[in-house]
Amino acid sequence: KNQVEQSPQSLIILEGKNCTLQCNYTVSPFSNLRWYKQDTGRGPVSLTIMTFSENTKSNGRYTATLDADTKQSSLHITASQLSDSASYICVVSMEYGNKLVFGAGTILRVKS
Amino acid sequence: EAQVTQNPRYLITVTGKKLTVTCSQNMNHEYMSWYRQDPGLGLRQIYYSMNVEVTDKGDVPEGYKVSRKEKRNFPLILESPSPNQTSLYFCASGETGHTEAFFGQGTRLTVV
Repeated sequence: KNQVEQSPQSLIILEGKNCTLQCNYTVSPFSNLRWYKQDTGRGPVSLTIMTFSENTKSNGRYTATLDADTKQSSLHITASQLSDSASYICVVSMEYGNKLVFGAGTILRVKS
Repeated sequence: EAQVTQNPRYLITVTGKKLTVTCSQNMNHEYMSWYRQDPGLGLRQIYYSMNVEVTDKGDVPEGYKVSRKEKRNFPLILESPSPNQTSLYFCASGETGHTEAFFGQGTRLTVV
């Protein structure tokens, strides 16, 4: 079954600290993996997208990694800010047909 | 500005009263899709469209209809809404080939 599992479900960190969110998937055939940030009540916004051949991609303080062999991805947030408080969603795209498989998300709360 | 526009943003309706949620994109994307998001379940795909006059069911299509008469618009139709369709709905668009998907701001629907 094609699934995307994210951990932890929720996370609280202090402003300025780093954190890493995990995404494991069993989707096949794999096309690409995306991380989205979703603020409460708003639409998801893409942070990074990686294909099979890419193993790291950065977007400012966000760095995503991909290990296609173990089917794992991580999103590392450096020097967290209060505005990083949001839900982070891992989405894997299947080859053919634009089928997307969504993880349930990790809710991050950054405290001052 | 590239965007996906949904209307209305908020809607309260009664059981059985037909409604339509509109979605429009200005990026000339071929691919459009509808999702619902419920607490603890993440985003689930309702219907998607690969191009004009081409639509297909997602994971949770029951109780919904869509149409794609023109490239920019992809309305979601609830012929006879029920309380279990109370949810946050998102429309998304993207280029065929699994590139980045853009999401609308969401429509919060309550069916009483």
